[in-house]
Amino acid sequence: DAKTTQPTSMDCAEGRAANLPCNHSTISGNEYVYWYRQIHSQGPQYIIHGLKNNETNEMASLIITEDRKSSTLILPHATLRDTAVYYCIVRETSGSRLTFGEGTQLTVNP
Amino acid sequence: DGGITQSPKYLFRKEGQNVTLSCEQNLNHDAMYWYRQDPGQGLRLIYYSQIVNDFQKGDIAEGYSVSREKKESFPLTVTSAQKNPTAFYLCASSIPALNYNEQFFGPGTRLTVL
Repeated sequence: DAKTTQPTSMDCAEGRAANLPCNHSTISGNEYVYWYRQIHSQGPQYIIHGLKNNETNEMASLIITEDRKSSTLILPHATLRDTAVYYCIVRETSGSRLTFGEGTQLTVNP
Repeated sequence: DGGITQSPKYLFRKEGQNVTLSCEQNLNHDAMYWYRQDPGQGLRLIYYSQIVNDFQKGDIAEGYSVSREKKESFPLTVTSAQKNPTAFYLCASSIPALNYNEQFFGPGTRLTVL
């Protein structure tokens, strides 16, 4: 699976959009981009995934660049409860394993 | 309610003792996974099972053992051979599909070996 690079930490003001970047320059054509988040001392929670097109669900939006070498997770109106570690993962369509890096610690400030 | 349960939430054991962590799911998922997380680190895969009576080693399987006798259950045994067993252990399950694999995680068990 391709390696991902994320900033170690980010801050965001409550009510503003949080934009979390992820670089995956070695991604191959059959690899999806997944985002999970982990609130302190809890199990990770799936947020969203995508292959080529931008995706949106009730939690977030995923913007993938045309060359697929990077992506951005957008939380449109961040709340204090969005404070968590966010993991960007790329994975083959046929594989079942997820490889978690160290993620980005997002802190939403009042 | 459907979900994954792990028990207990906190577990203490003496050094040299084997300990078994429970993971049960009622989501009817075929695949189950065990991860280990150390402070400030990401998750590392210990073992995973895609079907009953079959499982594969992950990245850090040494010192651990698993069984998958039932679809609903995937217990993890931390043996005395595991050099540094104190950690946060997370179990997950998923439906392996052609293009999509959302893993559902349990609440975790925090193991402390004294």
